[in-house]
Amino acid sequence: AQSVTQLGSHVSVSEGALVLLRCNYSSSVPPYLFWYVQYPNQGLQLLLKYTTGATLVKGINGFEAEFKKSETSFHLTKPSAHMSDAAEYFCAVDNTGGFKTIFGAGTRLFVKA
Amino acid sequence: DVKVTQSSRYLVKRTGEKVFLECVQDMDHENMFWYRQDPGLGLRLIYFSYDVKMKEKGDIPEGYSVSREKKERFSLILESASTNQTSMYLCASSNWGQDQETQYFGPGTRLLVL
Repeated sequence: AQSVTQLGSHVSVSEGALVLLRCNYSSSVPPYLFWYVQYPNQGLQLLLKYTTGATLVKGINGFEAEFKKSETSFHLTKPSAHMSDAAEYFCAVDNTGGFKTIFGAGTRLFVKA
Repeated sequence: DVKVTQSSRYLVKRTGEKVFLECVQDMDHENMFWYRQDPGLGLRLIYFSYDVKMKEKGDIPEGYSVSREKKERFSLILESASTNQTSMYLCASSNWGQDQETQYFGPGTRLLVL
């Protein structure tokens, strides 16, 4: 069985501040982990993913995430928020080869000027 | 560029109507998916298909059926729409082999059932 928990349904940061979106997962086998972003009125697009190898994963738009097996976490960070980062972010886990990816409930990021 | 399109962005239907949601991908992907997205619940998988005419139930298939007659097209059918099926519906596709876990999403169809 696999599951994902995103801590905080809404996160608000000031422009230029650190962005930290939290994600914890459970999986009976080593999982693949993902962050997807959904801009208003659009579908989801892949931000980054962890499969194997290096635990620090870099994605698009300056985001990165670190896989911490001991903490079962895959938190998303960005050093300096931009107004264009305002969106909803979904953490996801998969250990089925891509057929039954489990998505978290989502975290909406607000960026204040 | 990768492209998944959905036939409608917004749809309003009445209770009991039969509803068809269409999804087309131009990437020659083998796998296609239908999700519904609800606030606070994230995305939940309704059905997926790994080949033409093949389908598998996801986590919430009740009240839905699907059809995949051509590789590029995956249809979601609500046989008799109900108000609790008001939601955002997202279609996605993925490829076999390397990177098959990455899904490419359409823009979504927001369905309102009155």
